[in-house]
Amino acid sequence: GAVVSQHPSWVICKSGTSVKIECRSLDFQATTMFWYRQFPKQSLMLMATSNEGSKATYEQGVEKDKFLINHASLTLSTLTVTSAHPEDSSFYICSASRDGAYEQYFGPGTRLTVT
Amino acid sequence: AQSVAQPEDQVNVAEGNPLTVKCTYSVSGNPYLFWYVQYPNRGLQFLLKYITGDNLVKGSYGFEAEFNKSQTSFHLKKPSALVSDSALYFCAGGTRNTDKLIFGTGTRLQVFP
Repeated sequence: GAVVSQHPSWVICKSGTSVKIECRSLDFQATTMFWYRQFPKQSLMLMATSNEGSKATYEQGVEKDKFLINHASLTLSTLTVTSAHPEDSSFYICSASRDGAYEQYFGPGTRLTVT
Repeated sequence: AQSVAQPEDQVNVAEGNPLTVKCTYSVSGNPYLFWYVQYPNRGLQFLLKYITGDNLVKGSYGFEAEFNKSQTSFHLKKPSALVSDSALYFCAGGTRNTDKLIFGTGTRLQVFP
């Protein structure tokens, strides 16, 4: 149990376009979902926390208008990178937690390359 | 400020030997501590957690970790390393007051045959 999927696993887009990444909890209801960004050979940087049906809480320094997060249901959260630029190229990882549980279950990640 | 530290960027160990990956934490209150493993171009896989109770926690793939409150440590251990254990390991901490996790910088484990 506790499987989280992400789609797509990789995406290449042109500068100025928008990209949507989906995160789904496949076998449990995720009350909270998290979006992370990971640069090569670095740790995970939390971008935002989202709870189903409410606005996401963004970490300091993360542009909420650029990284749009929607958590429309207990099994789906989306991250949209708007007007992407090459510096947005990164590995984006989502995670989900169940109500009352402390551990997070991670998706396999999405590699975004902006050309 | 709360933090999780992994003092070693890389740990090298021969197959069959015991391994230790170090983690120390600075978290207010009673900490929740986790170990995750990441293989190349993949997400993180949960290994084990300490929430409360027995200080020695056993997890997946033969790994275990010991919560040491006096030393504020939560080192990951395995009695006999396998080449397939080679990966990037992350220690993470949290508290009851928040659902966020603070991650260490990661330690790359290399097991040589």
